[in-house]
Amino acid sequence: DAMVIQNPRYQVTQFGKPVTLSCSQTLNHNVMYWYQQKSSQAPKLLFHYYDKDFNNEADTPDNFQSRRPNTSFCFLDIRSPGLGDAAMYLCATSRAGVLNEQYFGPGTRLTVT
Amino acid sequence: AQRVTQPEKLLSVFKGAPVELKCNYSYSGSPELFWYVQYSRQRLQLLLRHISRESIKGFTADLNKGETSFHLKKPFAQEEDSAMYYCALSGDGNLIFGKGTKLSVKP
Repeated sequence: DAMVIQNPRYQVTQFGKPVTLSCSQTLNHNVMYWYQQKSSQAPKLLFHYYDKDFNNEADTPDNFQSRRPNTSFCFLDIRSPGLGDAAMYLCATSRAGVLNEQYFGPGTRLTVT
Repeated sequence: AQRVTQPEKLLSVFKGAPVELKCNYSYSGSPELFWYVQYSRQRLQLLLRHISRESIKGFTADLNKGETSFHLKKPFAQEEDSAMYYCALSGDGNLIFGKGTKLSVKP
């Protein structure tokens, strides 16, 4: 049973063309995260939602935005993708708390042409 | 600066050999440390956390605050242990990951 679902699994977009990646969860967790992972690099946190509170990492480019319309869904919007934004994008969820496990989705691989 | 360092990109051992995946961290405080694992074609998942002091799939990890290390160990590697292993720390609930070590266990 998939608990964190990401759609699509593969996304191709053109340089500068807005793109949205989606994530949904069946765990009813109050925290949702978006990570960017480039080849051979560590997953890097872009932002997270604690319930409806949006928390942006200081070095996340303005080009990246997020929406969380309800507990189950969270979206990553890239307003004007550049070639450097090609990466795997991982969604994760957890209960609030430093020790709580994060549950990851399978990721969406974004290609920018 | 908060940082997690995994010095080995690839670690290759034979089945039955001991394995140690190294992890060092930099954090101004008392972080929580984790190991996450990603098997082929599967999603990233938690392997173990230091606070639990548990052994999962034969793996253990001891937090050494003096050396700021959290190395992952297993006395006898199995082929099914082949995977990508990520060390991570959390100071405020958000995870900072290392770049990962690919473990390859050969028959």
